[in-house]
Amino acid sequence: GAVVSQHPSRVICKSGTSVKIECRSLDFQATTMFWYRQFPKQSLMLMATSNEGSKATYEQGVEKDKFLINHASLTLSTLTVTSAHPEDSSFYICSAPYGAREAFFGQGTRLTVV
Amino acid sequence: SQQGEEDPQALSIQEGENATMNCSYKTSINNLQWYRQNSGRGLVHLILIRSNEREKHSGRLRVTLDTSKKSSSLLITASRAADTASYFCATDSVSNDYKLSFGAGTTVTVRA
Repeated sequence: GAVVSQHPSRVICKSGTSVKIECRSLDFQATTMFWYRQFPKQSLMLMATSNEGSKATYEQGVEKDKFLINHASLTLSTLTVTSAHPEDSSFYICSAPYGAREAFFGQGTRLTVV
Repeated sequence: SQQGEEDPQALSIQEGENATMNCSYKTSINNLQWYRQNSGRGLVHLILIRSNEREKHSGRLRVTLDTSKKSSSLLITASRAADTASYFCATDSVSNDYKLSFGAGTTVTVRA
């Protein structure tokens, strides 16, 4: 099946620094990708929709300036957590729709801000 | 936003037994999907059922959908230790192409 690759899988950063997470569709083109956040033992919360060639669409309550999204090409979307703080520590997952509404997910990125 | 509720939150069964979990949702849907997530990993797509379908099978998985009750169930037969994971239902609505709304998830532990 289709593959979505997310990198890095784990990152530890200092408070105040920025972290970039990449999401790539390896064998198909994705004009749309989605970014989710997941707290421990909880469900996935949609943060934003990444659109190739246009601005990302953010869900209510998600800070656009904190979570910068860039859909640079038909196979790459990036999420940058700017000026990270400990409360931004979480599991971030991207997905890309493929075919008849099926979505393929990246492996996820565990962000720890110290 | 999260629209699904899953039941039970956690399930512990013996290897070889069946595992059943349920998902309820609030709004009209296009499709309902089930995903598996191993601890600390991404999600793996298991099965998709369309709003006009009532039942679907895939290997040891059986999914039912009752749109009148806005609910779905996932049955895993003859469970294996490797089935230990969290299971999530996800719906996409009529108005939002590809935007998935996830349920709270059911954590399944299969004891050897």
